[in-house]
Amino acid sequence: GENVEQHPSTLSVQEGDSAVIKCTYSDSASNYFPWYKQELGKRPQLIIDIRSNVGEKKDQRIAVTLNKTAKHFSLHITETQPEDSAVYFCAASINQGGKLIFGQGTELSVKP
Amino acid sequence: DAGVTQSPTHLIKTRGQQVTLRCSPKSGHDTVSWYQQALGQGPQFIFQYYEEEERQRGNFPDRFSGHQFPNYSSELNVNALLLGDSALYLCASSLLAAVNTGELFFGEGSRLTVL
Repeated sequence: GENVEQHPSTLSVQEGDSAVIKCTYSDSASNYFPWYKQELGKRPQLIIDIRSNVGEKKDQRIAVTLNKTAKHFSLHITETQPEDSAVYFCAASINQGGKLIFGQGTELSVKP
Repeated sequence: DAGVTQSPTHLIKTRGQQVTLRCSPKSGHDTVSWYQQALGQGPQFIFQYYEEEERQRGNFPDRFSGHQFPNYSSELNVNALLLGDSALYLCASSLLAAVNTGELFFGEGSRLTVL
């Protein structure tokens, strides 16, 4: 069935280093891949998304890459800051605004 | 713009009871989705409502039901509560006509504890 695997489950980096989170999806019909940041006790917030007709998208320190053939997509955060500490979720959907299948989450800790 | 609002924010129930959670979508949105997020897990899709009809449904039992009202607000009902229903219930809204461009906005959630 539909599934999104996310790794690693926890990630600890020093401030200023880069962080990479990877996801794999199972449904080849998926064409929309958002990433959400969820701080403790807060709602998930969209930080970046990518559609299947694009291989890479960048927004300041955040970038996402997509390999449709391998059904992999990754989140890259450069120059990490303590305020980047949160749980990050990848997700996949057949259409934007429809049913999202989420990964299990990655708890990112950025140490000052 | 108030964004997506949910109520109540926290509630405690006992096994076997019933619960109703409420959601008001972001202004201008017509589609409401509900997700269940267990502690330490990613959100799981329960169902989506559009034009007062259930449009999509995830792998949840019939104990989970919903409703959408003409003003686009929505309710999630869970009957015969089990301990495993303890979770954060998230509501998300979107605009169906903008399905290829519109962002999904989440509310802050309702945290349900079943004792």
